[in-house]
Amino acid sequence: QVQLVQSAAEVKKPGASVRVSCKTSGYTFKTYAIHWVRQAPGQRLEWMGWIHAGKGNTKYSQKFQDRVTISRDTSASTAYMELSSLRSEDTAVYYCARDGGDSSVDPWGQGTLVIVSS
Amino acid sequence: QTVVTQEPSLTVSPGGTVTLTCASSTGAVTSSYYPNWFQQKPGQPPRALIYSTSKKHSWTPARFSGSLLGDKAALTLSGVQPEDEAEYYCLLYSGGVRVFGGGTKLTVL
Repeated sequence: QVQLVQSAAEVKKPGASVRVSCKTSGYTFKTYAIHWVRQAPGQRLEWMGWIHAGKGNTKYSQKFQDRVTISRDTSASTAYMELSSLRSEDTAVYYCARDGGDSSVDPWGQGTLVIVSS
Repeated sequence: QTVVTQEPSLTVSPGGTVTLTCASSTGAVTSSYYPNWFQQKPGQPPRALIYSTSKKHSWTPARFSGSLLGDKAALTLSGVQPEDEAEYYCLLYSGGVRVFGGGTKLTVL
C-alpha cells in the first residue's frame, strides 16, 4: 500500500534551518506530486508548497516563498522540505501528502513536529 | 493571495443534517478549484473525505457528500453520527497553488 513516512521530531534554535524528509513507498514516486502542509499548535492547516516528483517543478505559497525549499531524491523515493530563518512561530507539525493526480491529496505522512526554541 | 473562508463552528444533533461551506476571496468557487474536504480529529493527521468537488474516497462514509452550493463549495453530512465531531477543512486550487480554509469545528450535541 502507499505509505509516506516522515523523519523524526526536531528542536531548532531561532535563525536555524530544518529539513524534514518524506520517504514514500508502494507506488511509482516520479508519477505524482508531493504537498507539504503545516499546522501550528491549535491552529489551522497551512499549505506550504508542492513538488512534482518526476519533473521537479515546485510551487510555493506566497507566505513561505522566501524561506522554503522543497526538493526530491528520485533514487530514494523521498521528498524534502527545508525551512530557513526559523522563528518561534514556525513551531508546528509538518506533513507531507501525495497528490493523486486527480486533485486528491492522500495519503498523508504521520507528521513531523518541529519545535523552535532558544 | 486567496483567502478561503469556512464557518468557524457549527453544532448539529445526532441523526441530523448539516452543511459546511467553503468560500473564496477571488469569487465563486467552481469545479476548477477542485475542492477537497478533510476531517481532522485531535492528535491525528487530516483524513481525506472528498476531492474534485464531489468524489468520494473508498473509505468515505456514504453520509458525507460534496457539492457546489451557490458560489461556494459545500460538504453535507446527513444522518450525523457522534464520531463525526471533528474539525473539517476545505482545500481549494487557485492560481497554481492550494489554499486551506480556516476550518469548521463541528460539534455533535
